[in-house]
Amino acid sequence: QKEVEQDPGPLSVPEGAIVSLNCTYSNSAFQYFMWYRQYSRKGPELLMYTYSSGNKEDGRFTAQVDKSSKYISLFIRDSQPSDSATYLCAMSGETSYDKVIFGPGTSLSVIP
Amino acid sequence: DAGVIQSPRHEVTEMGQEVTLRCKPISGHDYLFWYRQTMMRGLELLIYFNNNVPIDDSGMPEDRFSAKMPNASFSTLKIQPSEPRDSAVYFCASSLSQGIFVQYFGPGTRLTVT
Repeated sequence: QKEVEQDPGPLSVPEGAIVSLNCTYSNSAFQYFMWYRQYSRKGPELLMYTYSSGNKEDGRFTAQVDKSSKYISLFIRDSQPSDSATYLCAMSGETSYDKVIFGPGTSLSVIP
Repeated sequence: DAGVIQSPRHEVTEMGQEVTLRCKPISGHDYLFWYRQTMMRGLELLIYFNNNVPIDDSGMPEDRFSAKMPNASFSTLKIQPSEPRDSAVYFCASSLSQGIFVQYFGPGTRLTVT
């Protein structure tokens, strides 16, 4: 079993839809949970991060962490064609300097 | 700030040749990471440095791979000899010690070994 699992997609949705992206993980020591966005032929960029369990909202994006289920989600409201990218979940341990483990990424296309 | 700079952006080489990838991190960042990304394996951490010192090289696939960071503004990843299975996109990233999970990635080097 991989440490971090993510449905690779591709996921295709119409513009304006609500998108749900998910990851599961096996290491209960993970405390920091991140979502990176990667446009085609570019490097990943950090979208948002949360510490421990709970929700965090940033504009149209909401990140949720359920540590009891070892499950994290990213919701995108009112999706736009510019949201078309690969979304990678990522996690790290208790300290802010533990190495980061990335999921394989989910490819998202938002169709106008 | 110019962000993380990588060179070359594209590299095509023949099997058996030496390949050197270069990275300039963001000024002031004290962590530097080398990743490899393929469709099959996703984004894999190869090695990372803190204050120019290698901290964890457990992701380096084999002895053909080596990385150095001679100073705070420059790092290299060398593959010698290269093999077709090394074909991938190699990313360099940098971060601050206050939160190394906030990583800034370079544009990547697309390596093709024929």
